[in-house]
Amino acid sequence: DVKVTQSSRYLVKRTGEKVFLECVQDMDHENMFWYRQDPGLGLRLIYFSYDVKMKEKGDIPEGYSVSREKKERFSLILESASTNQTSMYLCASTGGRGQFFGPGTRLTVL
Amino acid sequence: QKEVEQDPGPLSVPEGAIVSLNCTYSNSAFQYFMWYRQYSRKGPELLMYTYSSGNKEDGRFTAQVDKSSKYISLFIRDSQPSDSATYLCAMSAQPDSNYQLIWGAGTKLIIKP
Repeated sequence: DVKVTQSSRYLVKRTGEKVFLECVQDMDHENMFWYRQDPGLGLRLIYFSYDVKMKEKGDIPEGYSVSREKKERFSLILESASTNQTSMYLCASTGGRGQFFGPGTRLTVL
Repeated sequence: QKEVEQDPGPLSVPEGAIVSLNCTYSNSAFQYFMWYRQYSRKGPELLMYTYSSGNKEDGRFTAQVDKSSKYISLFIRDSQPSDSATYLCAMSAQPDSNYQLIWGAGTKLIIKP
């Protein structure tokens, strides 16, 4: 079974802090994704990566950056956290035929 | 208009009922259709993956695609309380998921014992 893990289930940060969310997959997938999920808005793609050191902006990249130094690891960075970035963050990976998700990180920015 | 429309619910049905969950879409290029189940405070998990029109069955779950009507459905037979979750549809025009999936907003399903 594909396993996608995320570094934290719950995280509380203060406005202006730099936040790192890490995601690791164990299936040697080329493609990895970061989404945020908010009530009524569904899943929105922040960034995705189709190879090491390669990245593409999704629908809502503003305020975020990403890093993919190794194939199995994809990090989401909030350079200066703001309250409107309070959300559920989901990482996914795929080798084709559907995306596989981690358990999510519930981030609260105070 | 959103590319994919999905009724958010909640949809509440008694245990044992047949459940029908639906999505409509506007882009005729979509060929790959997926259903995900998401329990509260968990990540979505892939339930069904189908290509083009037709039916696909897996246990109590049947996915149906009608490309002429731009309409997809997920049927759950003999529904159980453990089926209570949010169900999301997703679709793409690409043969794999390398690029963006287009997501429905999800339907919250409640199965009453």
